[in-house]
Amino acid sequence: DSGVTQTPKHLITATGQRVTLRCSPRSGDLSVYWYQQSLDQGLQFLIQYYNGEERAKGNILERFSAQQFPDLHSELNLSSLELGDSALYFCASSTRDRGGNTIYFGEGSWLTVV
Amino acid sequence: QQQVKQSPQSLIVQKGGISIINCAYENTAFDYFPWYQQFPGKGPALLIAIRPDVSEKKEGRFTISFNKSAKQFSLHIMDSQPGDSATYFCAASLIRETSGSRLTFGEGTQLTVNP
Repeated sequence: DSGVTQTPKHLITATGQRVTLRCSPRSGDLSVYWYQQSLDQGLQFLIQYYNGEERAKGNILERFSAQQFPDLHSELNLSSLELGDSALYFCASSTRDRGGNTIYFGEGSWLTVV
Repeated sequence: QQQVKQSPQSLIVQKGGISIINCAYENTAFDYFPWYQQFPGKGPALLIAIRPDVSEKKEGRFTISFNKSAKQFSLHIMDSQPGDSATYFCAASLIRETSGSRLTFGEGTQLTVNP
């Protein structure tokens, strides 16, 4: 158990809908990351927050947004969903905001768009 | 410039054998190279990592070999066991003070160790 908690574990929704994925980082970790894993794109970095502030941005679509709250939990909002958004979404956390430190991954949220 | 190429896509070895997975990167600014192990239904977990100031790092049965001039690094699993059967990802990132961090992952290698 990495200590990173993600909910829901599975989600099925229709095209055009909006969903929110939730993440609780490991106790004491200030950095939260979101990654997308799909068969065709592999593991792709989406976005990083550190202590409530956006720190780095990757291949995140404009239809997606994220935030980190004062209690350090994070939410990834996916809107106007398309079939291609079906993927496994991972949240990860680490103690610091810079590279070189261990990043711990949750077990992911499976999103299926039908 | 941000890509990390991983091979092979899949690998089958016999118990007790050596598993070797290779990665190549393009961005010479990368300075942190971790390997992650992922079991079905689980998230990736850090296995071992290396920085470019050393050519090799060993932790138990797992060894990273790093060739800075060739921009390549590899994972060697000695005495492979059926419990090692998983998907392995190489990754690379930058160690920077204030610009955050991101892992650029390879495509993954599905390792099967036959008993």
